[in-house]
Amino acid sequence: AQTVTQSQPEMSVQEAETVTLSCTYDTSESDYYLFWYKQPPSRQMILVIRQEAYKQQNATENRFSVNFQKAAKSFSLKISDSQLGDAAMYFCAYRRGNTGTASKLTFGTGTRLQVTL
Amino acid sequence: DGGITQSPKYLFRKEGQNVTLSCEQNLNHDAMYWYRQDPGQGLRLIYYSQIVNDFQKGDIAEGYSVSREKKESFPLTVTSAQKNPTAFYLCASSIPPNYGYTFGSGTRLTVV
Repeated sequence: AQTVTQSQPEMSVQEAETVTLSCTYDTSESDYYLFWYKQPPSRQMILVIRQEAYKQQNATENRFSVNFQKAAKSFSLKISDSQLGDAAMYFCAYRRGNTGTASKLTFGTGTRLQVTL
Repeated sequence: DGGITQSPKYLFRKEGQNVTLSCEQNLNHDAMYWYRQDPGQGLRLIYYSQIVNDFQKGDIAEGYSVSREKKESFPLTVTSAQKNPTAFYLCASSIPPNYGYTFGSGTRLTVV
């Protein structure tokens, strides 16, 4: 079974600084997708960024980027120029590919990010 | 605007009562999911459905039931057999795997 591990329950960053959230996963599959979701205090889950395993290039979305190390099964999220609105729980998630329309997401336990002035 | 609507936002029930959580989507997504969220445990899959009139158990299906009579709707019933039902419940839907899920805003269920 696939597992996703987030070893940092809490992280803190100063406004305008950069922070990296860690995620490792375990799978025997070669085709899969990885995601980072943000859950602010409203508890709405928001997709931050996604990465296809077959792509070597790391995904980037504005201030958010990932460091995808397939051999090491590592998928970290870097947030640059941190803003107060980035404060939230961040979940790493894994999904198998080639499974038709329904394929479950396996989530890590989350990292709570605090942003300080 | 397209999206997923979960209702109600807060729900209180007495122990031993069944309760049904609503999830409706107008995204024309085939697949729908129910997750449970507890502090420190991330999200755990309860049930999912790929098409109408078909659904599969997830990792923690015991004490829950679902139906999928319409593409747009995927209600979750928390039965009296669920030993610890107090939690935050999230409904989601998806298109092909690489786009991830779209989530509803959740229902907080408290059983007293």
